[in-house]
Amino acid sequence: QVQLQESGPGLVKPSQTLSLTCTVSGGSISSGSYYWSWIRQPAGKGLEWIGRIYTSGSTNYNPSLKSRVTISVDTSKNQFSLKLSSVTAADTAVYYCARGRRDSSSDAFDIWGQGTMVTVSS
Amino acid sequence: DIQMTQSPSSLSASVGDRVTITCQASQDISNYLNWYQQKPGKAPKLLIYDASNLETGVPSRFSGSGSGTDFTFTISSLQPEDIATYYCQQPPLTFGGGTKVEIK
Repeated sequence: QVQLQESGPGLVKPSQTLSLTCTVSGGSISSGSYYWSWIRQPAGKGLEWIGRIYTSGSTNYNPSLKSRVTISVDTSKNQFSLKLSSVTAADTAVYYCARGRRDSSSDAFDIWGQGTMVTVSS
Repeated sequence: DIQMTQSPSSLSASVGDRVTITCQASQDISNYLNWYQQKPGKAPKLLIYDASNLETGVPSRFSGSGSGTDFTFTISSLQPEDIATYYCQQPPLTFGGGTKVEIK
């Protein structure tokens, strides 16, 4: 059974870069028709998609965050990562990694990590 | 960008009641619409994909319908364990605002 686990600092200073890693266990990150995404959720608010990466290295980002986001993948470690630069308090949220299941007619996040809280504060 | 308008934002119903949530897209999205359940402190869970397909292992009291711009999510008989917030999603970018379901 594939599982995802986020890791990284829980506290980031304003203007610095937030860095998180998602480790995939129970299966290869390279197998199947999947992509790998980051989604975040400020406390008491809704879900915001940040971006995704295919194991080919192809990426798509939320236009509202595109200038600050980089998602990368390391297939040898079965991990993918998020970097969000120039953070402010507005970036404080629970960050989730998720697997996107995609075929010719379907596109959905079928497996999620448990989430990790990141606070932006000096 | 496509906007997803989900309603109501919250509802209260009794155990056994039929519960309906709607999601309207700002433009035609065919059947590219998913529904997720999120319990407090937990990650979202996929319930319905492609508007009407039940994810493996999800109880049959959950269902979805619709295509184009108007979609409906239904719990046929509300159970105490269904207390959660439900989100629609036009994959991958846009989520609805969520509907918090409580027991009356």
